Amino acid sequence: DAGVTQSPTHLIKTRGQHVTLRCSPISGHKSVSWYQQVLGQGPQFIFQYYEKEERGRGNFPDRFSARQFPNYSSELNVNALLLGDSALYLCASSLGGQEEKLFFGSGTQLSVL
Amino acid sequence: GIQVEQSPPDLILQEGANSTLRCNFSDSVNNLQWFHQNPWGQLINLFYIPSGTKQNGRLSATTVATERYSLLYISSSQTTDSGVYFCAVGNTGTASKLTFGTGTRLQVTL
Repeated sequence: DAGVTQSPTHLIKTRGQHVTLRCSPISGHKSVSWYQQVLGQGPQFIFQYYEKEERGRGNFPDRFSARQFPNYSSELNVNALLLGDSALYLCASSLGGQEEKLFFGSGTQLSVL
Repeated sequence: GIQVEQSPPDLILQEGANSTLRCNFSDSVNNLQWFHQNPWGQLINLFYIPSGTKQNGRLSATTVATERYSLLYISSSQTTDSGVYFCAVGNTGTASKLTFGTGTRLQVTL
């Protein structure tokens, strides 16, 4: 069975541009969450989506947005990129039930120049 | 928000040695998970353990929720155990909203 897949694996953008990152959850998982990991730190929660609805949002500016599609895949969009947005963006999927064990993808490494 | 502290920050072991990693958290939690991030950046879920004790091969974990800490035990360490170990906790209605600690960086040498 395929795990959580993310695309692209690496991305280079310039300040002011926008970016779209994609995530496909494990088959049968209905919940997708997004995390940002800056070098040397633990991941930080950005969003959770469950059954296409936003279930939670972390402390990130409105430049960050996301959505979930009927097949439970998800996109993370970041507008007006800043140098500080350079990070590893991780997608995690889970069943969406009470035991929310998270399974992470390999991430997208975003570099903003 | 909830604070998560992990200790030690760095650990160097010889292959075959045992180790204990600690995670302290500042508030009651309903979700606690341990992850291993390998040198290539992949985060692997080791345990979902908001309370009690679990074992999986050479790894085991114990969470004492009333005292707000969790321990991860690694026995007979191998070089493939190298990487960063994160404890992550949650205590909100958003089940996937986890707060991660700063991690313990483990290096296992031959």
